[in-house]
Amino acid sequence: DTEVTQTPKHLVMGMTNKKSLKCEQHMGHRAMYWYKQKAKKPPELMFVYSYEKLSINESVPSRFSPECPNSSLLNLHLHALQPEDSALYLCASSHRTGFDEQFFGPGTRLTVL
Amino acid sequence: QQPVQSPQAVILREGEDAVINCSSSKALYSVHWYRQKHGEAPVFLMILLKGGEQKGHEKISASFNEKKQQSSLYLTASQLSYSGTYFCGTALKTSYDKVIFGPGTSLSVIP
Repeated sequence: DTEVTQTPKHLVMGMTNKKSLKCEQHMGHRAMYWYKQKAKKPPELMFVYSYEKLSINESVPSRFSPECPNSSLLNLHLHALQPEDSALYLCASSHRTGFDEQFFGPGTRLTVL
Repeated sequence: QQPVQSPQAVILREGEDAVINCSSSKALYSVHWYRQKHGEAPVFLMILLKGGEQKGHEKISASFNEKKQQSSLYLTASQLSYSGTYFCGTALKTSYDKVIFGPGTSLSVIP
């Protein structure tokens, strides 16, 4: 199984809502990533987990809160988002950070009203 | 820290060749190449880890000049399926576990 799954596919939320994005992989990868991608822009790194520990936080606002409950799962908790946070949120995984190819999930299209 | 890519966009006829360049102002540990089609997730093409390394993937190959902190992606005899946006991602020697993507090169192959 070489697939990274993400749920939901689409999410619309108000600025006062709390929601979560979910990412799952069963490839035995020990590195997992969250990226944010705006239209016609490259994926922008947000967080990196290595062996279930947060290793990189690219100065992301605290309204985004990542969680790695186990080696297969990665969550992104959202609270009090702004309209400019509307974007495609991509999850990826790899065997190791920096050395190996990243497998990307299809993404969650987030709209903040 | 974001690498620079050139050209921004290129249009090819089927069968033509193209080169996409990626450069960094800082010492590189690795260069990663991905292709993203519209509405889809990025797909891995190749990683170059050593200076001077060249890798091939069907009719797509890449080189890495560590001294110049540059990489080039070569697409030969282009096919319609090569259309998409190509991103190079670079990891610095000072933070090799963090890959930052360049702005992308939009490639369109027309019949």
